Parts: sequence; C-alpha cells; structure tokens
Amino acid sequence: DTEVTQTPKHLVMGMTNKKSLKCEQHMGHRAMYWYKQKAKKPPELMFVYSYEKLSINESVPSRFSPECPNSSLLNLHLHALQPEDSALYLCASNLHGGTEAFFGQGTRLTVV
Amino acid sequence: AQKITQTQPGMFVQEKEAVTLDCTYDTSDQSYGLFWYKQPSSGEMIFLIYQGSYDEQNATEGRYSLNFQKARKSANLVISASQLGDSAMYFCASGSTLGRLYFGRGTQLTVWP
Repeated sequence: DTEVTQTPKHLVMGMTNKKSLKCEQHMGHRAMYWYKQKAKKPPELMFVYSYEKLSINESVPSRFSPECPNSSLLNLHLHALQPEDSALYLCASNLHGGTEAFFGQGTRLTVV
Repeated sequence: AQKITQTQPGMFVQEKEAVTLDCTYDTSDQSYGLFWYKQPSSGEMIFLIYQGSYDEQNATEGRYSLNFQKARKSANLVISASQLGDSAMYFCASGSTLGRLYFGRGTQLTVWP
C-alpha cells in the first residue's frame, strides 16, 4: 500500500475563512511534507515534518499553519488567505529524507 | 542545494515508440536520490522510478528505465512502448537526506496514435 490520502479534493474559501487540509498515510513513513503547486509549475516545498517535528519551514507566511498530531497525520490550517494562495496543495511522505516520496492526490484550493 | 534541469518543455511520441526525457542535476551532496514523477491533468503526482547515487545498475520499473550517468550528472527517463495514457507532465527530482525534494520544471509528454 503506497497510498497517501488527502481531503478535501477541492476547497473554495473566502479570505476571512478558516479551513484545514488533511493528509493521512499508513505506510509507517516518518517524514511528511506539504507542497504548493501553481499551474504549469513544479511543486514548491512548504514544510517538512520528520518524526512528528517540524524540521523545515521554507519561509511560508503565518497564514499557513502546519500540524502533525501523530506519525500518520498531517494537517495544514489555513486562515486569512489571499487569492494568490489559490493552488494545488500536495502532501507527500517517505520513510526518511532521500528515499522515494509518495504523494497524495492533492487539494485544489481556490480563495475568493 | 541541488538543481535539476529539464531542457525539454514538450515532447511528442507516437504510440508504441520509445521516448527519452532528459534530466541533468547539480549537487554537492555525496549521497542523494533521483526520482521521476508523472503528473496527469488530474493533478496527482505519481512516483515512477528511483535511482540512488550509489546504485551501479540503472533502475528499471516495467516500461520505465532510468539511464543514470553519474559522471555526466544525468538521469534520463526512458519510456518504452509508449501508450496514450502516458500523456502527462513528467518531473525529474532529486532528494537529500535532509528531506527536500528539488524538482525540475517538467516535460509535457504527448503520445499520439
């Protein structure tokens, strides 16, 4: 089983809303990632969690708040987003850095 | 830091033919991994193949093979017997033990009948 599950698949939110993206894996992976991808561009790394601790924050604005409640779950809390934050948000996991990473299907976020 | 270069924005191949997607990388890490991902228009990022920097044999996974030339810092993806369903964006990526995956800009592959 190489499945990473992301919910929801689509999300439309207003600039004053608070919402959360969820990512789940049951492969025993100890590293989990959030990526942001704009149309026709490669994914851009946002956050890395290693052994449930935040190890990399790529200078992401504070309106994005990651959380790793346990080794299988990764959340991304969204608050006061801007229209330019509209993108595909991808979650990924791997056993540890440097090994093959498996991605979820992504959440297509539209901020209105 | 690592840098991935994919010089082919778009490639076209006829069904059942083989195609090579180019990828070169630049890294100062001694140990690293090289990956290829397929991204259809639906958006999911599908892992295809992995090559470790210390692997001496080229990686193969079904119709996919990775032509790894360490001295030239290249990691080209070869897809044999192309199928219509292979039409997608293909990303080359490299990863270090620190966890970052560095992606190239991608190659849009179109398979025509």
